[in-house]
Amino acid sequence: SQQGEEDPQALSIQEGENATMNCSYKTSINNLQWYRQNSGRGLVHLILIRSNEREKHSGRLRVTLDTSKKSSSLLITASRAADTASYFCATPEDYGGSQGNLIFGKGTKLSVKP
Amino acid sequence: DVKVTQSSRYLVKRTGEKVFLECVQDMDHENMFWYRQDPGLGLRLIYFSYDVKMKEKGDIPEGYSVSREKKERFSLILESASTNQTSMYLCASSSTGTGLYEQYFGPGTRLTVT
Repeated sequence: SQQGEEDPQALSIQEGENATMNCSYKTSINNLQWYRQNSGRGLVHLILIRSNEREKHSGRLRVTLDTSKKSSSLLITASRAADTASYFCATPEDYGGSQGNLIFGKGTKLSVKP
Repeated sequence: DVKVTQSSRYLVKRTGEKVFLECVQDMDHENMFWYRQDPGLGLRLIYFSYDVKMKEKGDIPEGYSVSREKKERFSLILESASTNQTSMYLCASSSTGTGLYEQYFGPGTRLTVT
């Protein structure tokens, strides 16, 4: 079942620019997570924002969450070539459930050109 | 440092062979997951397990089975490999402790069935 959907599907920017990716979801959530995947590798957890938070920072990452619009955005500031990767949002399949299933979007493919 | 390992990074098998993909985590996590990832389709959940000897079907369990005899180990079995099972396979684990369910992924196994 599709929960999170990222937008845009692909994004190409120059080094030093900011990159913004958006995620929309459908059901009530208690948190939303962002992951990164370098080409041909596993996903790496980047940041989690709880439903009672509106904004969260981690280094050059800034995540916002608008539960009224069921949307989130991930901003990467001062991007580097090493940020080239696919970025996925994920939300719990079963809010309040105990099994921890996450639903992943199809991702935004970010390309940062040196 | 958390770690999820997968038995192979690349695997080539013939149609009809029985294939074992193994995943081991060292974080004492209760939950473990197997996904496959295909271009344009994102991550799709095959099976998951929330306890030793427990297993639950995900979205696409057909043609697969799993085994979880020990808490740290979750195996994916392709009983009779077919070419449409050529894919990237990702294993992940998570803890029920926080109720937030961040998932930690292995590096992935790229399986080719010829």
